[in-house]
Amino acid sequence: GAVVSQHPSWVICKSGTSVKIECRSLDFQATTMFWYRQFPKQSLMLMATSNEGSKATYEQGVEKDKFLINHASLTLSTLTVTSAHPEDSSFYICSALKVDSTDTQYFGPGTRLTVL
Amino acid sequence: SQQGEEDPQALSIQEGENATMNCSYKTSINNLQWYRQNSGRGLVHLILIRSNEREKHSGRLRVTLDTSKKSSSLLITASRAADTASYFCATSSNSGYALNFGKGTSLLVTP
Repeated sequence: GAVVSQHPSWVICKSGTSVKIECRSLDFQATTMFWYRQFPKQSLMLMATSNEGSKATYEQGVEKDKFLINHASLTLSTLTVTSAHPEDSSFYICSALKVDSTDTQYFGPGTRLTVL
Repeated sequence: SQQGEEDPQALSIQEGENATMNCSYKTSINNLQWYRQNSGRGLVHLILIRSNEREKHSGRLRVTLDTSKKSSSLLITASRAADTASYFCATSSNSGYALNFGKGTSLLVTP
């Protein structure tokens, strides 16, 4: 199998604080991970592509200075929401790409962020 | 940007019936995948169909792909209450692995 974990599963923070979300591939190495955001009753929107050992690639409209991504190892990518505001409240989901015959992305369980 | 568009947006059926969801996309793709999401949870990968494939089966799931019409369908046969979830199609282009998700179909299967 291919398991991806996220931590924390939920977090509540005050406006202006920073929150770090971890994404780990537990049983495979992933040079590429992805970060998505999902607002209630909406689909997933790709925020950025996280590449191990290099800078992340951000989608248009996503502020790289606000959403800091670090992919320091082949099994861990982190997303830090800096100076969070209520409009950043969302469900953040990561995925890890397992490179094999199917090149499937395996998704983490998501992190619910609520900014007060 | 959103690539896929699913229809219907919501579908309510009874156990035992079949559920069909459709997905359309706009640009050329490398493959198309279907995912399932239970409320407030992560995504579960259901099936991947490559651009050179037309049909694929996995258990009670049947996926078709028509690249000329840029559309795909997901059929769940003999549905169960546990199939209640949101279903998303997602495409990846030839330029990379990043997925573009459709808006999803919310499926409700009642006992």
